Order: sequence, then structure tokens, then C-alpha cells
Amino acid sequence: EAGVTQFPSHSVIEKGQTVTLRCDPISGHDNLYWYRRVMGKEIKFLLHFVKESKQDESGMPNNRFLAERTGGTYSTLKVQPAELEDSGVYFCASSQEVGSSYEQYFGPGTRLTVT
Amino acid sequence: RKEVEQDPGPFNVPEGATVAFNCTYSNSASQSFFWYRQDCRKEPKLLMSVYSSGNEDGRFTAQLNRASQYISLLIRDSKLSDSATYLCVVRRSGYSTLTFGKGTMLLVSP
Repeated sequence: EAGVTQFPSHSVIEKGQTVTLRCDPISGHDNLYWYRRVMGKEIKFLLHFVKESKQDESGMPNNRFLAERTGGTYSTLKVQPAELEDSGVYFCASSQEVGSSYEQYFGPGTRLTVT
Repeated sequence: RKEVEQDPGPFNVPEGATVAFNCTYSNSASQSFFWYRQDCRKEPKLLMSVYSSGNEDGRFTAQLNRASQYISLLIRDSKLSDSATYLCVVRRSGYSTLTFGKGTMLLVSP
């Protein structure tokens, strides 16, 4: 069974540009999460989809970040315009159900560098 | 105050040693507790869940003290392959999202 995949693995862009990150969850997983790790900090939650609906977006830093999950399958996270402080590793995770007994499986992450 | 606090380490131990990591959490509404392992430049992977009664998985033992809001992980007979960052993770009641500590780095040397 394929795991969570993310694309691209690395992205280097200039301040002010736009970047779109993609996440393909494990097939059949209704729950999809985005997290981010900024250098020197802990991994932090950004938002949670249940199928195509945003369940919780309380972690989104500001309105420069837009997440979508078309048809409840893959998800994209767009940063527009990118700022220097957006640099970090963006992880996507998926789970079959919500709750402590359902493990969140993480993708390999997208390493974003804004120069 | 951070919601989940861990000693960043690194903990340098020889093969075969026993090492313990501690973690404290500040939100008493935290319901579920986990240890994740993260290798350098890789994604976090679930190592084990932590139950109130304590639980063991091979060389790994996890314990939870709800009164003190404290979680621990004990690794016995350390292997070189145990070298990684260990993340203490909690989930609040009513939420499905995870809250991470910054992690504790473990380096096991020959």
C-alpha cells in the first residue's frame, strides 16, 4: 500500500512568489492534515480536512495560505505571496478515522525555502 | 509556556545502554499521548502510544503520569539504529490534531 506522498520534495522560491504544495493521502483516508516545522521550532498543526471539508483551520498562520482538497482526494496548500518566515518543512498526514486509536501517517514533507 | 516540553538533548549513549526521555505537557485536557520517532530529514513515524497503565513494546517502555502531566520513554539495550529524534506528542480531548514537542535527539555510538 502506498504511503502519503508529497510534491515537490524541495522548493526554493523568492519572496513574493507563489508556491503550491501537493499531498496525496493514503487511499481511503478521509482525514488529511497539514503541519509545518519552521527551523528551530516544533512541528505545528496548520489545518485538518475531513473529505473535502475543512474541519479545523485554526493553525493557518494568515490569509496568504490557502488549502484545498478537491473531491476529497489530494490536497494542495498554496502560499501567495511567500514571505521569508514561510520557510520550513511542510508535512501532510492522513488517517482513516479520527481518534486516538487511528494513527496519523506522515508524508516525507516538502522543504520550502523562501529567499 | 510551550504546550509540550522536552529536553532537546542530544543524549549520547553507548550501544547497550539504557536511556530515558521525559516530557511534560501543560494542557490538562490532553487525552492521548504518543512517542514518535523522526530520523534526520525524514517524516515522523509513530513509535508507540502511551497508556495510563504504562505499556511496553520490546525494548521500549512508555509511562504516563496524568497527575503530574508527565510522559516518559525508556529504551533498553540501545542499538545504533535507535539514533533519531524522539517526539513527544499529545492530542487534546475533542480534537484530532496533534501537538508536538520539539523532540529529544538520541545518538547511540559503538
